[in-house]
Amino acid sequence: DAGVTQSPTHLIKTRGQQVTLRCSPKSGHDTVSWYQQALGQGPQFIFQYYEEEERQRGNFPDRFSGHQFPNYSSELNVNALLLGDSALYLCASSYPGGNQPQHFGDGTRLSIL
Amino acid sequence: SQKIEQNSEALNIQEGKTATLTCNYTNYSPAYLQWYRQDPGRGPVFLLLIRENEKEKRKERLKVTFDTTLKQSLFHITASQPADSATYLCARSDTGRRALTFGSGTRLQVQP
Repeated sequence: DAGVTQSPTHLIKTRGQQVTLRCSPKSGHDTVSWYQQALGQGPQFIFQYYEEEERQRGNFPDRFSGHQFPNYSSELNVNALLLGDSALYLCASSYPGGNQPQHFGDGTRLSIL
Repeated sequence: SQKIEQNSEALNIQEGKTATLTCNYTNYSPAYLQWYRQDPGRGPVFLLLIRENEKEKRKERLKVTFDTTLKQSLFHITASQPADSATYLCARSDTGRRALTFGSGTRLQVQP
């Protein structure tokens, strides 16, 4: 049973560029959440997708956008990259509901030069 | 805004002892508190979930308590082993909402 898979594992970009990160949820899960984790910090919620719609959003600018496909996989897009966007981007999948444990992928390490 | 606070200092203990990690929250009680383990370069792994109306939850060597008066959750690992060394994250979630609000995590180091 495959868990949450993310690609790519590492990415290096320069300021001003755009990036797309991808996530396939655990089999049977239909809800995908994205988190940003800076070094030494806990993950910060970016947004969540369910039924191909953004259901909830954290305190992140519009430069961060996403999409969910009919097969429940998801993409995170970041435009006009800033140095401060350097972080580990984590995807988590779950069943819907506030009491569901989240299953995380191992993330994409994004470095901005 | 809702906050989760964890002790940012690393916790060092001897193998075989009980490790106790603290998670404090602000404002109203969350519907659920969840604990995750994170190893370097890996994503968090779910360990335990405790509901607002539960005082205690156990799973093998792990125990979580939830004290709404103190606005605190304690996470215990009994008979700790070097393999338990990792960062432990506490997260809150609320009824009807799906986002997790994480603390910054506490790094546990178990010495052989």
